[in-house]
Amino acid sequence: KQEVTQIPAALSVPEGENLVLNCSFTDSAIYNLQWFRQDPGKGLTSLLLIQSSQREQTSGRLNASLDKSSGRSTLYIAASQPGDSATYLCAVYHLSGTYKYIFGTGTRLKVLA
Amino acid sequence: ETGVTQSPTHLIKTRGQQVTLRCSSQSGHNTVSWYQQALGQGPQFIFQYYREEENGRGNFPPRFSGLQFPNYSSELNVNALELDDSALYLCASRPTGGGSYNEQFFGPGTRLTVL
Repeated sequence: KQEVTQIPAALSVPEGENLVLNCSFTDSAIYNLQWFRQDPGKGLTSLLLIQSSQREQTSGRLNASLDKSSGRSTLYIAASQPGDSATYLCAVYHLSGTYKYIFGTGTRLKVLA
Repeated sequence: ETGVTQSPTHLIKTRGQQVTLRCSSQSGHNTVSWYQQALGQGPQFIFQYYREEENGRGNFPPRFSGLQFPNYSSELNVNALELDDSALYLCASRPTGGGSYNEQFFGPGTRLTVL
């Protein structure tokens, strides 16, 4: 059974710091991994999608890496800003009876001005 | 290109009632998935529709059902509501083919409260 874990559950950092969010999954047979941002009470905004054949993806200050063999992905945020405060979720696209996305419980990030 | 929209934004029901939530997929997307997100948790997959047929289901009882229409809008129906059904319900759509190379795009969600 595929399980997705995100560490830490919560993180509070001063503005300007570079930070790393971690996502681990138990079954390496994934098709892709997607990182999302969620603001309180809102829907999910897609940040980065990494295909299983890729090692990393970059968008602006965000960089996501994928190591399928070890079941890990990291989201690197450079020069954090107060506007980055949100919950960050990772999801793996996995075949488990049916194709579906399995989400972690998220990392709540607060960037202090 | 329009985004994914959901209605209503908020809904309050009582135990035992039935509810219908609606989703309008992003233009050009024919695969839609529905998720339930309890407070403080990640979204849980309910089911997925492709070309009006359910082609995947998570661990949810049959009182959770859905429909997808030819214009790729969809509905999530929940019968015999229980208190634990209180959650944010999210729909997500993916482009034609719905293959693994395609990103999911999420709507803003419907917040359901069951009293």
